[in-house]
Amino acid sequence: QLVLTQSPSASASLGASVKLTCTLSSGHSSYTIAWHQQQPEKGPRYLMKVNSDGSHSKGDGIPDRFSGSSSGAERYLTISSLQSDDEADYYCQTWGTGIHVLFGGGTKLTVL
Amino acid sequence: EVQLVESGGGLVQPGGSLRLSCAASGFSFSSYAIQWVRQAPGKGLEYVSAISYNGGTTYYANSVKGRFTISRDNSKNTLYLQMGSLRVEDMAVYYCARSPCGGDCYQDYWGQGTLVTVSS
Repeated sequence: QLVLTQSPSASASLGASVKLTCTLSSGHSSYTIAWHQQQPEKGPRYLMKVNSDGSHSKGDGIPDRFSGSSSGAERYLTISSLQSDDEADYYCQTWGTGIHVLFGGGTKLTVL
Repeated sequence: EVQLVESGGGLVQPGGSLRLSCAASGFSFSSYAIQWVRQAPGKGLEYVSAISYNGGTTYYANSVKGRFTISRDNSKNTLYLQMGSLRVEDMAVYYCARSPCGGDCYQDYWGQGTLVTVSS
């Protein structure tokens, strides 16, 4: 069964970098995932799609501070030069025949 | 600018019905699949349903199959979600989202959501 696992919380200091992880369950390491940001009291915002080979394609207007990468069954979202409005929930998501659309539980990022 | 604006949320009793709408603008609505995704209070995102660009194919999460119906009117650039036999666990903010690669795919634009409250 395909499951996406995210740490519930993460924190980093203003101006620093942080790397969030989304782990695909065993046997599903080839799946492409998407990252979405949800700021407090707002709808989600698409950030990027990350493929199993680490290549990624960002959404419209997403700053260069946001990047994606991959290693095995893990997909990463790295945010550099953290700003206060990066404080948000970050969700990974995948899709496929038979699973429809599946979201991870989300990571709440706190900017210190 | 791509815009998706949901409406139709409100308070409904358990067992009741409600129809949500999603008005799209800023892109060729008839060329894209669209999804409904919901978020219960304090919880994460949950896929609800999707519909292909021409309405010919629909998809549903098991939790809503047989109770919810997704449809679209491409002449009005509008997506709908008819919800019936509503349960307390259906209470959530409902988002519509554009899907650039078919019904069951990722979402590249989201609306701001409409709140559905199911309570007696």
